[in-house]
Amino acid sequence: GAGVSQSPSNKVTEKGKDVELRCDPISGHTALYWYRQSLGQGLEFLIYFQGNSAPDKSGLPSDRFSAERTGGSVSTLTIQRTQQEDSAVYLCASSSHRTSGGARFFGPGTRLTVL
Amino acid sequence: KNEVEQSPQNLTAQEGEFITINCSYSVGISALHWLQQHPGGGIVSLFMLSSGKKKHGRLIATINIQEKHSSLHITASHPRDSAVYICAVRSVDTDKLIFGTGTRLQVFP
Repeated sequence: GAGVSQSPSNKVTEKGKDVELRCDPISGHTALYWYRQSLGQGLEFLIYFQGNSAPDKSGLPSDRFSAERTGGSVSTLTIQRTQQEDSAVYLCASSSHRTSGGARFFGPGTRLTVL
Repeated sequence: KNEVEQSPQNLTAQEGEFITINCSYSVGISALHWLQQHPGGGIVSLFMLSSGKKKHGRLIATINIQEKHSSLHITASHPRDSAVYICAVRSVDTDKLIFGTGTRLQVFP
């Protein structure tokens, strides 16, 4: 497809389990962002990848959170030993200054529920 | 104090009304985004502004860089406009977006 895709769309897990969330950005977009939106809260920045530069991890809430981007395309956000407060919608976005002037294109999100 | 403030937080309107949502920010920015989030959670980018005004259909976005203020206007509102509208600014120092908490709009027939 032409847009940003994320999988799974919904994930229910038990407290203490690890989860992996996947983001497929728009082809050719060099920048990829992960955000989190907890129930009733605004969007919270998590991590930012730009080309081959070191990622900006300043938004990751704890060392249980990590993300990688392989081959400058697909990204995986991993949450280890999930906690109930990790329940949120995790949104991925991509952009390319060359083609979209920095406009963000958002994926549909992954709704994570930690029981 | 949040770096990006939106008002109102909640807004209800009758179909056909003219709607204005405001966004004020306190940081230096390179761009401002208006986003629309529907009840299912999907987010759509409506506008990206760095100056002046943009129009798309019934939506108009304006920005005043000197006053650090932007407005999103919806003309002839419709129930399908019901959503959360989010203002986000791109920091001039980084490429990060700083988000407002959103304005929940409900348009009734």
